[in-house]
Amino acid sequence: AQSVSQHNHHVILSEAASLELGCNYSYGGTVNLFWYVQYPGQHLQLLLKYFSGDPLVKGIKGFEAEFIKSKFSFNLRKPSVQWSDTAEYFCAAQGTGGFKTIFGAGTRLFVKA
Amino acid sequence: NAGVTQTPKFRVLKTGQSMTLLCAQDMNHEYMYWYRQDPGMGLRLIHYSVGEGTTAKGEVPDGYNVSRLKKQNFLLGLESAAPSQTSVYFCATHDRSGANVLTFGAGSRLTVL
Repeated sequence: AQSVSQHNHHVILSEAASLELGCNYSYGGTVNLFWYVQYPGQHLQLLLKYFSGDPLVKGIKGFEAEFIKSKFSFNLRKPSVQWSDTAEYFCAAQGTGGFKTIFGAGTRLFVKA
Repeated sequence: NAGVTQTPKFRVLKTGQSMTLLCAQDMNHEYMYWYRQDPGMGLRLIHYSVGEGTTAKGEVPDGYNVSRLKKQNFLLGLESAAPSQTSVYFCATHDRSGANVLTFGAGSRLTVL
């Protein structure tokens, strides 16, 4: 069955700490991978995406993610978090050529000022 | 250009009542989706549509019905609401291009007493 697993449900960091959020997927065939973010009181929005090519992709606000095919992983990273990064982060997968997007359970990040 | 608009934003129902959530988009997107978001469970796909006049079941369709009579509108109906349907409902859309990035509405918070 297709699935997306996020390792941490709640993460608390101090400002300037480094962030890594784990994401693993189970999908037959090739996939498109996404990280979406939901800031408090705002719409879900795209943070970054991977379709093909360079497995290290960069998104908005200094976030990046690395696709490791052998590990079925797409971990999200940021070298130095800010208070404004407090949000819920969702990893998502979509079959290439398909259209349904499957989401992980989400990780709530709280950054202490 | 409003993007994706969901109405109502909040609703409280009693068990057994019916209601309809409306998703309207002005981007001429073919694909439309209804997700529900529950704590610790991420976003789960309820129903989706790949074009006007078409609908299909997602992961958790039971207790819901949908219609896509017009391309720009995707309606989600609850015929007999149950407390288990208390959730935040999100509508999302994308077009036919290869970049199937979802555009989300603001969400509709439904409470069933």
